[in-house]
Amino acid sequence: ETGVTQTPRHLVMGMTNKKSLKCEQHLGHNAMYWYKQSAKKPLELMFVYNFKEQTENNSVPSRFSPECPNSSHLFLHLHTLQPEDSALYLCASSQVGTIGTEAFFGQGTRLTVV
Amino acid sequence: AQSVTQLGSHVSVSEGALVLLRCNYSSSVPPYLFWYVQYPNQGLQLLLKYTSAATLVKGINGFEAEFKKSETSFHLTKPSAHMSDAAEYFCAVSGDNQGGKLIFGQGTELSVKP
Repeated sequence: ETGVTQTPRHLVMGMTNKKSLKCEQHLGHNAMYWYKQSAKKPLELMFVYNFKEQTENNSVPSRFSPECPNSSHLFLHLHTLQPEDSALYLCASSQVGTIGTEAFFGQGTRLTVV
Repeated sequence: AQSVTQLGSHVSVSEGALVLLRCNYSSSVPPYLFWYVQYPNQGLQLLLKYTSAATLVKGINGFEAEFKKSETSFHLTKPSAHMSDAAEYFCAVSGDNQGGKLIFGQGTELSVKP
């Protein structure tokens, strides 16, 4: 595996379900991110993790719960979601502290809440 | 505070014609600027980035962008469009060197006509 991989690629869940999105980066980076991409809206940064520590939570509802057990893995735990949470969820990683660094994105998980 | 405005949610060009996608930014600190491309059902791929070195930045697939501080612009161009360039393009700004804390524009969908 190379780059940033996300699983599953597609997920359909009911509003009472609990599910998790997984992200793994194979780039040796020290920071990971969750973004939400909804139709007709700009990509929104949800969470930032630097060296496994959460450094940013952009007013995300508590029904989204991130977890970063190590610098290579990032999870997004989902529970009691709403239909408006249906979106493409993108994970990214970067190397903080490197001049001119950039984010590398995974292919995303397409989430549909029914 | 930072923001990005992409003029035109949809741009259509003929194959072989010039591609021009517009991006204006607002930043209270010297910005890092990025253009990403997204193909259907895919994640984001970096086209190019400006990190305060040369103002004319060359990227992949023949794209380039020019940073103009006086106009707060970072427009993306390609001299000759190819069918494979059809995708959605996102301009993004960051105010620090983390690489992944990005503010995105709304995106511009590029169509290429044969």
